[in-house]
Amino acid sequence: ILNVEQSPQSLHVQEGDSTNFTCSFPSSNFYALHWYRWETAKSPEALFVMTLNGDEKKKGRISATLNTKEGYSYLYIKGSQPEDSATYLCAFTSGGSYIPTFGRGTSLIVHP
Amino acid sequence: EAQVTQNPRYLITVTGKKLTVTCSQNMNHEYMSWYRQDPGLGLRQIYYSMNVEVTDKGDVPEGYKVSRKEKRNFPLILESPSPNQTSLYFCASSLSRGLLTAQFFGPGTRLTVL
Repeated sequence: ILNVEQSPQSLHVQEGDSTNFTCSFPSSNFYALHWYRWETAKSPEALFVMTLNGDEKKKGRISATLNTKEGYSYLYIKGSQPEDSATYLCAFTSGGSYIPTFGRGTSLIVHP
Repeated sequence: EAQVTQNPRYLITVTGKKLTVTCSQNMNHEYMSWYRQDPGLGLRQIYYSMNVEVTDKGDVPEGYKVSRKEKRNFPLILESPSPNQTSLYFCASSLSRGLLTAQFFGPGTRLTVL
C-alpha cells in the first residue's frame, strides 16, 4: 500500500484568513491525484482531478497545484468562510493501478 | 438528478448473517468502486469495476464479494459478516475507467456487525 500523507492533520482559522495544506505522495510512477471535500455527515465531493506536473486548478476561492517530480500537491483556500469547514482529502493513483490511495485528510475549521 | 444511491443507509446485523448493500448510479459511468472508512484511517478501496462483468480487488477485499451484471449497479455482498467489518461504506462511480475523472460518492452505509 502506497504512502499518502496529508498535513496538517487539523487546522483552525478565522473567517477571512487564507490557508493551505499539503498532500505528499510517491514521486515515481505518478498517474493522477484527486482532491475531495468531505463535510460532516455527508459524502466526499470531488474538487479537482490533477494529472500533469505543474497543473494548477481553481474553483472559486479554492485552488490546487501539483508537483509530481517532488511528490506533493498544495490546496489553497483564499478568504476562508465558515462554510469551508470540512475535511479535505487527497487520493493518489499510480500508473498501472486503478486503486486510489487516500490520505487521512486535513480537518479545517473556520471560526466566524 | 445525477447521483449514486446506496441502500440501506444504516444496518445492524449479527455475525454470519449474509447481507447485500446495493449501489446504483444513473450517470452511465464506467468505473464503480466500494470503500470503507474506519476511524484514524483513510478511505480504503474494497473492490472496483471498470466495466460490466469486470471486477477486481482493491486494497482490502477479504470478506467481501461484488458483482457487475449491469452498468448501473454494483452491489457489495458480505457472505458471513464479522465484527471487524463494522464500518462506514461508500460506493463511488467515475466516468473514466482510468480514474482521470472525478469520483461521485454515494451517501454512505453505516454497518454494525454484532
